[in-house]
Amino acid sequence: DVKVTQSSRYLVKRTGEKVFLECVQDMDHENMFWYRQDPGLGLRLIYFSYDVKMKEKGDIPEGYSVSREKKERFSLILESASTNQTSMYLCASSSPGLAGGDAFTDTQYFGPGTRLTVL
Amino acid sequence: KQEVTQIPAALSVPEGENLVLNCSFTDSAIYNLQWFRQDPGKGLTSLLLIQSSQREQTSGRLNASLDKSSGRSTLYIAASQPGDSATYLCAVKGNSNYQLIWGAGTKLIIKP
Repeated sequence: DVKVTQSSRYLVKRTGEKVFLECVQDMDHENMFWYRQDPGLGLRLIYFSYDVKMKEKGDIPEGYSVSREKKERFSLILESASTNQTSMYLCASSSPGLAGGDAFTDTQYFGPGTRLTVL
Repeated sequence: KQEVTQIPAALSVPEGENLVLNCSFTDSAIYNLQWFRQDPGKGLTSLLLIQSSQREQTSGRLNASLDKSSGRSTLYIAASQPGDSATYLCAVKGNSNYQLIWGAGTKLIIKP
């Protein structure tokens, strides 16, 4: 079974703090993703990575950065946390998919999520 | 721009009933469509993936259909059980855009 783990299930931080969310997958997947999930909005892609040290912006990258130094680990960084970053953060991973496909072709496997509250 | 809608946002039905969840999308040029399940405090689990060339996929009591021309997909759950209670999300991958576009989900409650 694919296993995707996230460093914290619940996190409370103060405005202005630097926040690190970590995600680890054990299936040797090339692709990793960070989403945030807010009520009524569905999932929104923050960043994704298709290889070590590679990253691509998603729909809402502002206020976030990412790091992928090792294949199995993808970190999301909130440089200076703000109250509007209170949300559920979900990490996912996937294999490269069919020949000619991109990072989003195949099924993504999700971690349990981190519920972040910024006060 | 692709938009994905799931209506209703919540649904409550008695155990044993067959039910249908709906997902609609605005751009029919899709690569595939996926249905996921999300349990409280847990991540998402993929249920079914339908390629654009397919009309339906089945897994156990679940059947997902796809009608690209009308921009609709349905998830049929047969003989519902309390363990089916969860939020169900659909996600569409377009031909032109690289990422998944997600619906907001339908929260399903199966009453014993």
